Amino acid sequence: KAGVTQTPRYLIKTRGQQVTLSCSPISGHRSVSWYQQTPGQGLQFLFEYFSETQRNKGNFPGRFSGRQFSNSRSEMNVSTLELGDSALYLCASSSGGGYRVNTEAFFGQGTRLTVV
Amino acid sequence: QKEVEQNSGPLSVPEGAIASLNCTYSDRGSQSFFWYRQYSGKSPELIMFIYSNGDKEDGRFTAQLNKASQYVSLLIRDSQPSDSATYLCAALPGGSYIPTFGRGTSLIVHP
Repeated sequence: KAGVTQTPRYLIKTRGQQVTLSCSPISGHRSVSWYQQTPGQGLQFLFEYFSETQRNKGNFPGRFSGRQFSNSRSEMNVSTLELGDSALYLCASSSGGGYRVNTEAFFGQGTRLTVV
Repeated sequence: QKEVEQNSGPLSVPEGAIASLNCTYSDRGSQSFFWYRQYSGKSPELIMFIYSNGDKEDGRFTAQLNKASQYVSLLIRDSQPSDSATYLCAALPGGSYIPTFGRGTSLIVHP
């Protein structure tokens, strides 16, 4: 069974640019969550998509957006990049069903974004 | 504010010893709890989950849950240098699909 696939693995962007990250969840999983991880802040939740709808949203500015396609693949976009956006961006895949059922989340390898 | 607290460590144990990692959570409605292992520069890997009070064992790992005390722990028996990593605790708040993560405890197993 294939795991969670994130592309690209590494990115270097310049301040002010925008970036799009991609995540393909485990087959059959309908929930995709995105996290930002930095040494100082730990894992911070960005948003979660389930069946093409944003179901939950964290406390990040509107420059961070996402979407999910009918095949459950998800993209995350960051516009007008800032130096502070440099981080490891992780997506997590889960079945997304009732919260006591199969809600274990499995992470992709992450995209390391460096903003210069 | 729903929080999950972990001691950042590092926790240093000798090879072969039992490593005990602890986590407390603030939301009494939390029902599911997860332990992830994260090696430096890598993504978190799910190693244990627990839903019911008591102990759950899987190989060298034992997760312990005490909902009355709002406390979750992870015991690693016969610790190996390859267990050296950061261990993240996560709790699923009641009525939520999104786990809340602690900041992790760094474990160092020295030969």
